[in-house]
Amino acid sequence: KNQVEQSPQSLIILEGKNCTLQCNYTVSPFSNLRWYKQDTGRGPVSLTIMTFSENTKSNGRYTATLDADTKQSSLHITASQLSDSASYICVVSYGNNRLAFGKGNQVVVIP
Amino acid sequence: NAGVTQTPKFQVLKTGQSMTLQCAQDMNHNSMYWYRQDPGMGLRLIYYSASEGTTDKGEVPNGYNVSRLNKREFSLRLESAAPSQTSVYFCASSGALNYGYTFGSGTRLTVV
Repeated sequence: KNQVEQSPQSLIILEGKNCTLQCNYTVSPFSNLRWYKQDTGRGPVSLTIMTFSENTKSNGRYTATLDADTKQSSLHITASQLSDSASYICVVSYGNNRLAFGKGNQVVVIP
Repeated sequence: NAGVTQTPKFQVLKTGQSMTLQCAQDMNHNSMYWYRQDPGMGLRLIYYSASEGTTDKGEVPNGYNVSRLNKREFSLRLESAAPSQTSVYFCASSGALNYGYTFGSGTRLTVV
């Protein structure tokens, strides 16, 4: 079983609409959680990083939440744009500098 | 500021051929990594170098070797390429081990 599960695997949304991506993890002890955006043909780029004490963090139209008790995180995209079409990867840092990667949420924004 | 630079961007190899993927970073980062990304598999760690002079195996090291040439450069070598090594390879670096990655733009490798 994957240590980091992301859902939905893929989704298609209309431009201007909102969407929420989910990340559930099982690893411990938790250190921090990052959301990365990966455009097609490019490397992942960090959007947000959240530590244990942070419940929410925003980066423009991207808002990440974290519930360390239930080991869940979400990434909310507000007023989606065509440029938001990408894969969003959840990465959890835990233990002695170890990382667990999710497989990504593939988002397609259509006009 | 280039960040992490990978070369080449694309490569086609015949089975059994060898090649080296190059990676260089200009951020004075201590740690560097090589990942492969396959459809439905996500990113998987091949090798990493926590600091100059050290290298360690990751999750999928078989068929690969690495060299941390200096603090800036970390190369990945395929001695005898196999079709199973067809993938997109990403180099990354971070100031501290596994904290705050900066990724390169990837090398798309096809082994026929």
